[in-house]
Amino acid sequence: KNQVEQSPQSLIILEGKNCTLQCNYTVSPFSNLRWYKQDTGRGPVSLTIMTFSENTKSNGRYTATLDADTKQSSLHITASQLSDSASYICVVSARSFQKLVFGTGTRLLVSP
Amino acid sequence: NAGVTQTPKFRVLKTGQSMTLLCAQDMNHEYMYWYRQDPGMGLRLIHYSVGEGTTAKGEVPDGYNVSRLKKQNFLLGLESAAPSQTSVYFCASSSGTGREQYFGPGTRLTVT
Repeated sequence: KNQVEQSPQSLIILEGKNCTLQCNYTVSPFSNLRWYKQDTGRGPVSLTIMTFSENTKSNGRYTATLDADTKQSSLHITASQLSDSASYICVVSARSFQKLVFGTGTRLLVSP
Repeated sequence: NAGVTQTPKFRVLKTGQSMTLLCAQDMNHEYMYWYRQDPGMGLRLIHYSVGEGTTAKGEVPDGYNVSRLKKQNFLLGLESAAPSQTSVYFCASSSGTGREQYFGPGTRLTVT
C-alpha cells in the first residue's frame, strides 16, 4: 500500500534553534518527493521537489535530503523564525501522474 | 498575477443542498485538481483535469462532479451535500505531469 508517514506529529522549538522533520514512504514506483509548507488557514506552498537522483536540495533556511534506497527524507530548518510555525507536509509522487500521496504533516510551533 | 483563487472561502450547507465551488488560475496551466483535507489525514484527490474539456476521477470522487469548460476555471459540484463532505477543499494547478502544483487558499465547507 502506498503510504507516507511523517514524524513527529508536532514539535515545539525555540526561535533560533534548528530542527529536523522526518518522512518515510512506501510509494512505488517512485517519481519525486516534495515538501510543502502550510500556514494555518492557507493552501500548501512548495518548498522543494527532489527526484530519484537528488540527495539534497536547499531553499533558503530549508534543506531537504532524500535517501531513495531506504525511502526516507528529512527536512532541516536552520535558525528557526516565528514565521516557520506551520504544518510541513511530505508528498511522494508515483510514476503514474495523478498519484500524489500526501503525509499527514508535522505541525511545527516556533516559540519566542 | 493572482495565482490560484477559490470562491467562496466559507460555506455552511444543510444536508441535501447543492453548491458549486469555483477555482480559477491565471498561470495558463493545463492541469487542475480538487483535493479535500480532513483532520488527521493527508490531502486526498477528488477529481482532476488534464486540459480544457477533460475531467477524470481521483481517489475519492463519490458525491462530487466537476467541469472544466474553460482552461482557467475548474468547478467542483456537490449535488446533494452530506455531513461526510464537511472538509476543507483545495484547488491546485500545474503546468504538467510531475511539475510543481500551486494551491489555492481553500474553501471551508460545513454540512449540517
